[in-house]
Amino acid sequence: EIVLTQSPTTIAASPGEKVTITCRASSSVSYMYWYQQKSGASPKLWIYDTSKLASGVPNRFSGSGSGTSYSLTINTMETEDAATYYCQQWSSTPPTFGAGTKLELK
Amino acid sequence: EVQLVESGGGLVQPGSSLKLSCVASGFTFSNYGMNWIRQAPKKGLEWIALIYYDSSNKYYADSVKGRFTISRDNSKNTLYLEMNSLRSEDTAMYYCAGSYRDWFAYWGQGTLVTVSS
Repeated sequence: EIVLTQSPTTIAASPGEKVTITCRASSSVSYMYWYQQKSGASPKLWIYDTSKLASGVPNRFSGSGSGTSYSLTINTMETEDAATYYCQQWSSTPPTFGAGTKLELK
Repeated sequence: EVQLVESGGGLVQPGSSLKLSCVASGFTFSNYGMNWIRQAPKKGLEWIALIYYDSSNKYYADSVKGRFTISRDNSKNTLYLEMNSLRSEDTAMYYCAGSYRDWFAYWGQGTLVTVSS
């Protein structure tokens, strides 16, 4: 199975700051998907097909990458962005998730 | 509005069985692959099972293969997960999720399964 390694595990950012979360795959994948999960809530699709924003996602978010290296970037951190972000691949079954990156407000 | 509502979780003893349900509304359930994904307390997400839109294929994570069975009833817009021989490591929030291509487009709110003596 493809293992996804996210970094950092935890990050604290101030409002207005730029944030980048990376996801490395143990084998090449075609696309990467990202989910946002807030405390006590279920995950929400955030980015699909590596760089496309899901419905309702602010355009300060972006996704990029290819092969084994992908990233999610927040151009200017806002209070509401504090959450845990997971990457996910399904280039091969089983679909797998990264361990998550907890983004906290500084 | 898309809704997935899970039910059937609870506290059970090791070795026992439990059946989860997930009722879908707001989208064409019979067109979507459906999945169960779980999240142990304070842990990450683990996909555990997939059933194709027409039940023609089913896939399982190694961690549950042979113990869990996924099924669906498209006439009732309902997804099921039958869980047998439950272990303490199966303790988690169980989410049903509708998949479109290679991503999980829709998620339920989850139902908590606790396996403890």
